[in-house]
Amino acid sequence: QVQMVQSGTELKKPGASVTISCKASGYTFNDYYVHWVRQAPGQGLEWMGWINPKNGGTNYARTFKGRITMTRDTSLGTVYMDLASLRSDDTALYFCARDRDDFTGTTAELLHWGQGTLVTVSS
Amino acid sequence: DIQMTQSPSSLSASVGDRVTITCRASQSISIYLNWYQQKPGKAPKLLIYGASTLQSGVPSRFSGSDSGTHFTLTISGLQPEDFATYYCQHTYTVPYTFGQGTKLQIK
Repeated sequence: QVQMVQSGTELKKPGASVTISCKASGYTFNDYYVHWVRQAPGQGLEWMGWINPKNGGTNYARTFKGRITMTRDTSLGTVYMDLASLRSDDTALYFCARDRDDFTGTTAELLHWGQGTLVTVSS
Repeated sequence: DIQMTQSPSSLSASVGDRVTITCRASQSISIYLNWYQQKPGKAPKLLIYGASTLQSGVPSRFSGSDSGTHFTLTISGLQPEDFATYYCQHTYTVPYTFGQGTKLQIK
C-alpha cells in the first residue's frame, strides 16, 4: 500500500532553516507529483508547492519563494522540503501529500498524506 | 491569487441530519475543486475531486455539486464519524488555495 512517512519533530530558532523528509513507498516514485501543505496551530491548510519527482521540477506558492526549496532523491524514494529564514509564524504541522493519479502534470488531488511533521520556531 | 470563501465556519448538527457546506471561488475555476475531511491531529482525507466525483471508498452520503463559482458539499444522514473539519481547495492554478474550513460539531 502507498505510504508517505515523514521525518520527526523539529525545534528551530528564528532565522534557522529546517529540512523535512518524506519517504514514499508502495508505488512508482517517479510517476506522481508530491505536494507540501502546512497547518499552523488551530488554523487552516496552506498549500506550499509541488515537486515532480521524475525531473525535479518545482512550483512554489509565491508566499514562500526565496525561502523554500523542494528536492528529491530518486534512489531513496524521498522528497525533501527546506524552509529557510524561519520565523515564529512558520510554527506549524507540515504535510507531504501525493497526487491521486499519475496524469501528465499534477491534478493536486491529494490522496495519500504523510503523518505530518511539527516544526516549532522559538527562541 | 484565487480566494476560496467557505461557509459557515462552524456548524452544529445531529446524527441523521443533512448538512451543506458551501465554498465560493473569487473567479471561475471550472470544476477544479476538491473537498477534504480532517480530524484533530490527523492528515486531511480526500473526499471529492473534480467538484463532484466521490473518491473511492468514501461513503455515498457525501456528495458535491457546482454552479459556476459556487460549490457545495452535502452530507446526507450524518454519522458520528462525520464530525470533523471540512476544507475545500481549488486546483485551477497555483497557488492551490484552501478555504478556511468548516468545523462540523455535534449538537
